[in-house]
Amino acid sequence: SAVISQKPSRDICQRGTSLTIQCQVDSQVTMMFWYRQQPGQSLTLIATANQGSEATYESGFVIDKFPISRPNLTFSTLTVSNMSPEDSSIYLCSVAQGPYDTQYFGPGTRLTVL
Amino acid sequence: GENVEQHPSTLSVQEGDSAVIKCTYSDSASNYFPWYKQELGKRPQLIIDIRSNVGEKKDQRIAVTLNKTAKHFSLHITETQPEDSAVYFCAALGADNYGQNFVFGPGTRLSVLP
Repeated sequence: SAVISQKPSRDICQRGTSLTIQCQVDSQVTMMFWYRQQPGQSLTLIATANQGSEATYESGFVIDKFPISRPNLTFSTLTVSNMSPEDSSIYLCSVAQGPYDTQYFGPGTRLTVL
Repeated sequence: GENVEQHPSTLSVQEGDSAVIKCTYSDSASNYFPWYKQELGKRPQLIIDIRSNVGEKKDQRIAVTLNKTAKHFSLHITETQPEDSAVYFCAALGADNYGQNFVFGPGTRLSVLP
């Protein structure tokens, strides 16, 4: 399976600021996704990152708060904008070779907002 | 949309015993059901998966069974070992949204006692 890396691995940020998280894959993948995992909770899909077009957001998540880029088939970024303490969470990217295919996860970014 | 329930939320077994975790899903069109294991501070790792055209799949000590009529699937771990201790998540992939909509269960914390 693909090797997936994320940067940063963790960060502590002040409220009102923004953080951009990077997800890099060592091979081309068709599909990339962004998830949020709050402490002790399950994984919630934020959006599907589509190459060359706008991301597709799940209910409860909006582009202004979580802008996503996907410039090519190996890289995506998620920005958490105007952060508040409620945004403290682990953010994970995942990849799949195609629709209806297995998803593999990156190591995650642990975000703490003070 | 799809809804996935998972039971039990916590499970403690003695080393060598079997563990069973059950998930139910709501969308009869869902057709792919992976199981992920997440150790503390680590990323979710795929351990086994099953598609809707198969009733059972086994990989060494791990097996998954699927009952499409009842809309439930179960993870079976035999001869449990302390290293099986982790949080286990089931997921269901709906047939809508172009195969992108993974919905995760809330997780089961498995403790294997030596």
